Amino acid sequence: GAGVSQSPRYKVTKRGQDVALRCDPISGHVSLYWYRQALGQGPEFLTYFNYEAQQDKSGLPNDRFSAERPEGSISTLTIQRTEQRDSAMYRCASSLEAGYYEQYFGPGTRLTVT
Amino acid sequence: GQQVMQIPQYQHVQEGEDFTTYCNSSTTLSNIQWYKQRPGGHPVFLIQLVKSGEVKKQKRLTFQFGEAKKNSSLHITATQTTDVGTYFCAYRGYNTDKLIFGTGTRLQVFP
Repeated sequence: GAGVSQSPRYKVTKRGQDVALRCDPISGHVSLYWYRQALGQGPEFLTYFNYEAQQDKSGLPNDRFSAERPEGSISTLTIQRTEQRDSAMYRCASSLEAGYYEQYFGPGTRLTVT
Repeated sequence: GQQVMQIPQYQHVQEGEDFTTYCNSSTTLSNIQWYKQRPGGHPVFLIQLVKSGEVKKQKRLTFQFGEAKKNSSLHITATQTTDVGTYFCAYRGYNTDKLIFGTGTRLQVFP
């Protein structure tokens, strides 16, 4: 596809379950970013990768959150033992290269923890 | 990273009126980007500014980066209903590619 894709688009899970959110960046894009966006607020940085290397994970809220990009393309954000406060829109973005480049955002995964 | 504040938080205008949103930081920024997010949509990149005092135009949109690189503005001339959405500024910190987004300004345009 031409843009960033994310799956699933909607995920409802029960508290305590693990979830895995997938991001498929634009083909050839080196950098991949994960954000969390609460309703009415701006995206909040979680982590990012250049190729397969995780460059910065300072935004991950706690050790229940992890991300990987093993082959430098598709990335997975995993949340273990979900809590209600994890409910949010999780957005992925990619950019052509590291540095001063625009980021292309995907449609997001709406996570609801009941 | 420090969050940048945007004002106003909301703005309702009549179609044809002008609109301006301001982005303010207490520290010097190396760059500023602007994104637009339509209701129910995802953020879409508009522009990036990196030089002190830089001004860029895109049709009815004018973007400025302050001389001290601590503030930025987005001005829309003669708004249209298609301008509806939330406008975010964002900056990339020094020696990192993570984007820190501003608080956003939600624009509503009445026909």
